[in-house]
Amino acid sequence: TQLLEQSPQFLSIQEGENLTVYCNSSSVFSSLQWYRQEPGEGPVLLVTVVTGGEVKKLKRLTFQFGDARKDSSLHITAAQPGDTGLYLCAARRNTNAGKSTFGDGTTLTVKP
Amino acid sequence: GAGVSQSPSNKVTEKGKDVELRCDPISGHTALYWYRQSLGQGLEFLIYFQGNSAPDKSGLPSDRFSAERTGGSVSTLTIQRTQQEDSAVYLCASSLGAGRGGTDTQYFGPGTRLTVL
Repeated sequence: TQLLEQSPQFLSIQEGENLTVYCNSSSVFSSLQWYRQEPGEGPVLLVTVVTGGEVKKLKRLTFQFGDARKDSSLHITAAQPGDTGLYLCAARRNTNAGKSTFGDGTTLTVKP
Repeated sequence: GAGVSQSPSNKVTEKGKDVELRCDPISGHTALYWYRQSLGQGLEFLIYFQGNSAPDKSGLPSDRFSAERTGGSVSTLTIQRTQQEDSAVYLCASSLGAGRGGTDTQYFGPGTRLTVL
């Protein structure tokens, strides 16, 4: 059973365009994380959101956690080739420990 | 200090052979996790250690898979009688662990790419 649905699976855009990636679930989670992964490396944490309705900004990246803590979105403004990578959302039922459940990821390619 | 390290970085083995994958967590991290990832896909949880005990091993796909952790540090994931469907990248992560306060962040190693011929 896939608990986290990510969309789109693949995204190819031109430098300077904006994009949004979605992460949806029918379950409620204590926290949700967004990671970025490059080939040959492990995922690197971008942000953790824990409060329903929370919005966090990291330079050109904006992360939102749904009011019901079941969904999240990642918005990138003015994408750059350096943003290319696999973006993964992950959720945990316990903020203090325990496994994360991952979505299948969104492969983003930003063309110069 | 150093991040999470894993060895080997690549492992090619023949079907039916046993393999051992090693993970060195960040010093002081009491929690350790194993995941596996197929090409371009998300991560599949395998097992979680808190100290030397494994309160959650629900993701181990079969009894051919086992893991241990000694001294609250290094962990070894063992796959016996490997099958072609075991081919994947095996990722290890560590975190401060339960009861340490705040939101517990997992830090990932670079992974071991396992290929079963």
